[in-house]
Amino acid sequence: KQEVTQIPAALSVPEGENLVLNCSFTDSAIYNLQWFRQDPGKGLTSLLLIQSSQREQTSGRLNASLDKSSGRSTLYIAASQPGDSATYLCAAPLNSGGSNYKLTFGKGTLLTVNP
Amino acid sequence: EPEVTQTPSHQVTQMGQEVILRCVPISNHLYFYWYRQILGQKVEFLVSFYNNEISEKSEIFDDQFSVERPDGSNFTLKIRSTKLEDSAMYFCASKAGAKNIQYFGAGTRLSVL
Repeated sequence: KQEVTQIPAALSVPEGENLVLNCSFTDSAIYNLQWFRQDPGKGLTSLLLIQSSQREQTSGRLNASLDKSSGRSTLYIAASQPGDSATYLCAAPLNSGGSNYKLTFGKGTLLTVNP
Repeated sequence: EPEVTQTPSHQVTQMGQEVILRCVPISNHLYFYWYRQILGQKVEFLVSFYNNEISEKSEIFDDQFSVERPDGSNFTLKIRSTKLEDSAMYFCASKAGAKNIQYFGAGTRLSVL
């Protein structure tokens, strides 16, 4: 059974700082890994998807890395802004050979960027 | 940009009542999911649906739950007799293919009184 853990649970930084959010998973047979953003009381916005064959994926100020062998992924946010304040979730589907590829989520990191 | 649409945004119901949560997935997508998030807890998988049938369900998805794709565009989650512990945010998701991103709707907040 896949377990996904995110550290830290909460992070508070001043505006402009670069930061790293961590995600670890117990079963390295993942198909891909997805990072999401969740604003309070809202839905999930997909930020980045890294396929299992990739090491890195970038979108604007966001960079996600994946190391399957160690069971880790990081989300790097450059030059943080107050608008980045949200909960960041990582999720991974197991490469079970089936077509369903359900996502197993971490509990998230609550990021606060202070002006 | 295409999006997954969920209605209603908030549903309040009495314990024991039936509720139907509705979702319109992105039009060319083939894989459909329901997840839920109890306040303060992780997002949990409920059920996946592909090729007009359930492909996987979690232990949460018991006989009180059912899903349907009645008309090729809507995807519904029915809870036959709601319990207090069913109170949660329910998310619908869809994706085009096995390797693709899952796109999530904004969720339906279900409050069971």
